[in-house]
Amino acid sequence: TQLLEQSPQFLSIQEGENLTVYCNSSSVFSSLQWYRQEPGEGPVLLVTVVTGGEVKKLKRLTFQFGDARKDSSLHITAAQPGDTGLYLCAGPQGAQKLVFGQGTRLTINP
Amino acid sequence: DARVTQTPRHKVTEMGQEVTMRCQPILGHNTVFWYRQTMMQGLELLAYFRNRAPLDDSGMPKDRFSAEMPDATLATLKIQPSEPRDSAVYFCASGFSMGAPKSGNTIYFGEGSWLTVV
Repeated sequence: TQLLEQSPQFLSIQEGENLTVYCNSSSVFSSLQWYRQEPGEGPVLLVTVVTGGEVKKLKRLTFQFGDARKDSSLHITAAQPGDTGLYLCAGPQGAQKLVFGQGTRLTINP
Repeated sequence: DARVTQTPRHKVTEMGQEVTMRCQPILGHNTVFWYRQTMMQGLELLAYFRNRAPLDDSGMPKDRFSAEMPDATLATLKIQPSEPRDSAVYFCASGFSMGAPKSGNTIYFGEGSWLTVV
């Protein structure tokens, strides 16, 4: 079983600060995805990274896939209260299953 | 606006009762997933289907849980009998995949069914 470990579990910072959250595994993944989940809703896909070393930007969010495709990071610049939520990484296990990390619960305080 | 629809949104039931959760996947999607989310365990995959055929239900307690897809527009997850430890949010998700390992399976989640068993 390929496990995804996310850190930190909880993060509370002030508006305007920068932050990075991590997703690590001992296994190689063909791709990794990041989702954001807001209270009372299901997770929503933010990005998929496929190539080792790949960097993708989504406005103030920067996603990186490790060179060895075992880890990924999400960096948020100048965090805003609207960034508050549960951030989940996920990766395919086998040909079809998608497994998730435990998530990082992010709170941005005004 | 295409979306995955789940019913009921909220359910409170007594221990021992049968609970059925329903999911309408996005039209045209060929893969359906059932996940359970709790604070302690996070998102756990219970079962998934491709083209209505069950591919993996190893994450599901077989003695009380069952998942089916009677047709392409309906997936069901049934718990009988329910227990307090089944209290969680149950998510259905759907996607379209040819099964290629690097396809980066993109799936879309419903809003979840919040189950409380007392």
